[in-house]
Amino acid sequence: GAVVSQHPSRVICKSGTSVKIECRSLDFQATTMFWYRQFPKKSLMLMATSNEGSKATYEQGVEKDKFLINHASLTLSTLTVTSAHPEDSSFYICSASILGLQNEQFFGPGTRLTVL
Amino acid sequence: KQEVTQIPAALSVPEGENLVLNCSFTDSAIYNLQWFRQDPGKGLTSLLLIQSSQREQTSGRLNASLDKSSGRSTLYIAASQPGDSATYLCAVNTGNQFYFGTGTSLTVIP
Repeated sequence: GAVVSQHPSRVICKSGTSVKIECRSLDFQATTMFWYRQFPKKSLMLMATSNEGSKATYEQGVEKDKFLINHASLTLSTLTVTSAHPEDSSFYICSASILGLQNEQFFGPGTRLTVL
Repeated sequence: KQEVTQIPAALSVPEGENLVLNCSFTDSAIYNLQWFRQDPGKGLTSLLLIQSSQREQTSGRLNASLDKSSGRSTLYIAASQPGDSATYLCAVNTGNQFYFGTGTSLTVIP
């Protein structure tokens, strides 16, 4: 149980285009989903926290107009990188937590974004 | 703000050795601590979760301990195997936010 999927696993896009990444909890309802970004050989950095039906809370330094997060249902959150630039190339990982399970997080497999 | 440090940054051991990875955090007011494994280019695999009220957790050859008062956790890997080669991350949960360490890159030499 507690499986989180991400789609796509890899995406290559041109500069200036927008890319949408989906994060789904497959067998549970996720009250809270998190989006992380990982630079090469660095640890994960939390970008934003999203609760179903409300606006995401962004970490300091993360542009909310550039990284649009939508958590429309208890099983789906999306991250849209708008007007992507090469510096947005990174590994994006989502996680989900179940209310009542003491905040254990379940991680998706990640999405590798490359912006040309 | 919580800061999480992992030592060493990299570790190379011969197959069969027992080893210890260290994780320290600056604020002892934590909810739980998780150890993860990450293979190159892949997502995170949760290894062990220790609640703040627990002292240790075991799964197979892995044992994680937690000393909340001193801000330390260790991950003990017994009888290491080449398949254990990966980056190991610890993450501290302060309530609803995780703070990750920078990881320890482990190489087990056959």
